[in-house]
Amino acid sequence: AQKITQTQPGMFVQEKEAVTLDCTYDTSDQSYGLFWYKQPSSGEMIFLIYQGSYDEQNATEGRYSLNFQKARKSANLVISASQLGDSAMYFCAMSFLKRGSGGYQKVTFGTGTKLQVIP
Amino acid sequence: SAVISQKPSRDICQRGTSLTIQCQVDSQVTMMFWYRQQPGQSLTLIATANQGSEATYESGFVIDKFPISRPNLTFSTLTVSNMSPEDSSIYLCSVEVIGQGRGLGTEAFFGQGTRLTVV
Repeated sequence: AQKITQTQPGMFVQEKEAVTLDCTYDTSDQSYGLFWYKQPSSGEMIFLIYQGSYDEQNATEGRYSLNFQKARKSANLVISASQLGDSAMYFCAMSFLKRGSGGYQKVTFGTGTKLQVIP
Repeated sequence: SAVISQKPSRDICQRGTSLTIQCQVDSQVTMMFWYRQQPGQSLTLIATANQGSEATYESGFVIDKFPISRPNLTFSTLTVSNMSPEDSSIYLCSVEVIGQGRGLGTEAFFGQGTRLTVV
């Protein structure tokens, strides 16, 4: 079974500092995807970054980078130069191909980390 | 990419009534997904909706409680039936992005969510 673990329920970071949000996963599949989403208090889910299991380079998107360590099954999110608007819940998620019924991509979410950026 | 419009954004409903949530996508997609996020919790998949067939429900969710329609490739509805306060959650629809190469999409897009409060 696929499982995502986020061990940090809450984090604080000083504005303009970098912060790392931890994520570990467990799967026996060789092909999977890893995502990070941001959820502000408004409730919407905002896609941040994606890493494929076969991608050799760490994904980067602006101030976001994903530290992918496949052997350790970790996919930590690094936010550089934190801004006040980064305060939100952050969810790590994993997609995998669910076979049967035509096959489709299923996404499993971690429990989330609440990040608060301090001025 | 895909832009998803979800309505209503929030509602307060009486116990015992039903609410239908609409999800409109700006492009044709094969699979649409409905999630529930209970207060302070992560996202849990309710069901997967494939156009032209019955929705596939996850363990713990049944069609009588959460009927889903998928009349075409750009639209779906989720109804929360005979509501109780325990149904108070954020409900989100999501779409699968057709994968490249290895069958997995590189993004899962979400609507802005429907914040439901049952009183």
